[in-house]
Amino acid sequence: NAGVTQTPKFRVLKTGQSMTLLCAQDMNHEYMYWYRQDPGMGLRLIHYSVGEGTTAKGEVPDGYNVSRLKKQNFLLGLESAAPSQTSVYFCASSYGSGGAQGTQYFGPGTRLTVL
Amino acid sequence: GEDVEQSLFLSVREGDSSVINCTYTDSSSTYLYWYKQEPGAGLQLLTYIFSNMDMKQDQRLTVLLNKKDKHLSLRIADTQTGDSAIYFCAETWGKFQFGAGTQVVVTP
Repeated sequence: NAGVTQTPKFRVLKTGQSMTLLCAQDMNHEYMYWYRQDPGMGLRLIHYSVGEGTTAKGEVPDGYNVSRLKKQNFLLGLESAAPSQTSVYFCASSYGSGGAQGTQYFGPGTRLTVL
Repeated sequence: GEDVEQSLFLSVREGDSSVINCTYTDSSSTYLYWYKQEPGAGLQLLTYIFSNMDMKQDQRLTVLLNKKDKHLSLRIADTQTGDSAIYFCAETWGKFQFGAGTQVVVTP
């Protein structure tokens, strides 16, 4: 049982390049989330998904797209990377949306630098 | 995370107790959480408390909840160097809302 995994762990991009971050969970969770973490700002929700085939915008969705084609995977895409997207990206998953079932489990993070 | 407020930094001596404070905004929050983030790692769930409880104890951790003041605290007894990390509180009322995190530094 690996929990939540993320690939890659590190990445350096040039402005304008594109990339996809992969999140996988093996806990059969319905809900999955993408956050970014910046110094002094805590975690900010980018996009989330409440089940296979669904996605929704979070607090800071601009410049990102997501897809949830399979229940266990949640992909985060950057179509044209900008230096403002330099951050640490965390994926999380949960069984439900509230109460004990809403407890989120986090991956180890992806450190992205955009030059 | 602007709606959930935490102090940004706490320094504590090894062996002392640490108290990390958090204020939240939504009185309908059903569960309140504490997460720990060690350097270079993701967030790890430490504990959570249901909103109808005032206190929850789990080994060295004690969570106190004051619903009237919307105040949550985490006390770590006998703080160790391995407790050095960033601690996040979070509330959930249909969506998760994280605080900005409190960096705890444990000194010998």
